[in-house]
Amino acid sequence: AQKITQTQPGMFVQEKEAVTLDCTYDTSDPSYGLFWYKQPSSGEMIFLIYQGSYDQQNATEGRYSLNFQKARKSANLVISASQLGDSAMYFCAMREGDTGTASKLTFGTGTRLQVTL
Amino acid sequence: DAEITQSPRHKITETGRQVTLACHQTWNHNNMFWYRQDLGHGLRLIHYSYGVHDTNKGEVSDGYSVSRSNTEDLPLTLESAASSQTSVYFCASSERVAGGFGNEQFFGPGTRLTVL
Repeated sequence: AQKITQTQPGMFVQEKEAVTLDCTYDTSDPSYGLFWYKQPSSGEMIFLIYQGSYDQQNATEGRYSLNFQKARKSANLVISASQLGDSAMYFCAMREGDTGTASKLTFGTGTRLQVTL
Repeated sequence: DAEITQSPRHKITETGRQVTLACHQTWNHNNMFWYRQDLGHGLRLIHYSYGVHDTNKGEVSDGYSVSRSNTEDLPLTLESAASSQTSVYFCASSERVAGGFGNEQFFGPGTRLTVL
C-alpha cells in the first residue's frame, strides 16, 4: 500500500480564495511526522509546514495550515488567501519513527496547484 | 549563510559510463539523503547517511552507491549509467534532534541528469 497518497494531480484556485490539498498516509508506527513541501517551476524544494503525530493542535505557518485528522490518517494542507506565487507543485511527506533514529522521508506523488486571476 | 549545493547542475552522459554527482552542505548536519524525482513518482529515496562512514540503501538503490568520509559531503555514484537513470537528483540534509521536533530536510537545487 502507498504510504503517502495525494489523490489530486492538479488543482485550480482563484486568487484570494482558500484551497485544500489532500494527503492521506498509512503507518502503524505511533510516532511519525508529516511535512509539506512546495516546488515552484524553478525546481527547488521549499519546506512549508510540519505536524507531529503527538501534536495536539493543528500546525500553522502564516497562510499555511495543516488539517490533521489522526483517526482518518489525513494531513491536508490549507492555503488561505491564495496568491499567484503559490502556483507550484506541492508534496506531502512522512517520517516514521522518532526523529533521533529515523529521519528519512517518504513522499507522495504531488499536487500541481495553479492560481488564477 | 549555511547552504547545500549540488554539482553539476546539468549533466549529459552515455550509457555505461560512471557518473558522480556531488553534494556539499555547510549546515553541519548529521543526516544526508539522495532522492530522484520522476514524473508520476514524486521523490524516491536512493541512499541516506546518518553520519560519517554510515550509509544505508533507500527504496531505489540499485545501480547507485554513496560514501560518507566527512560531515559535509555525500557524493552519489552511478556505477554504469543506464537510460532509466535519466532523472532529476536532489540531495538533502537534516539535523538529528531529540524527539518532538520536525527536523525538516533542506534540499539542494537539484541535478538534471540525462543518460543517452
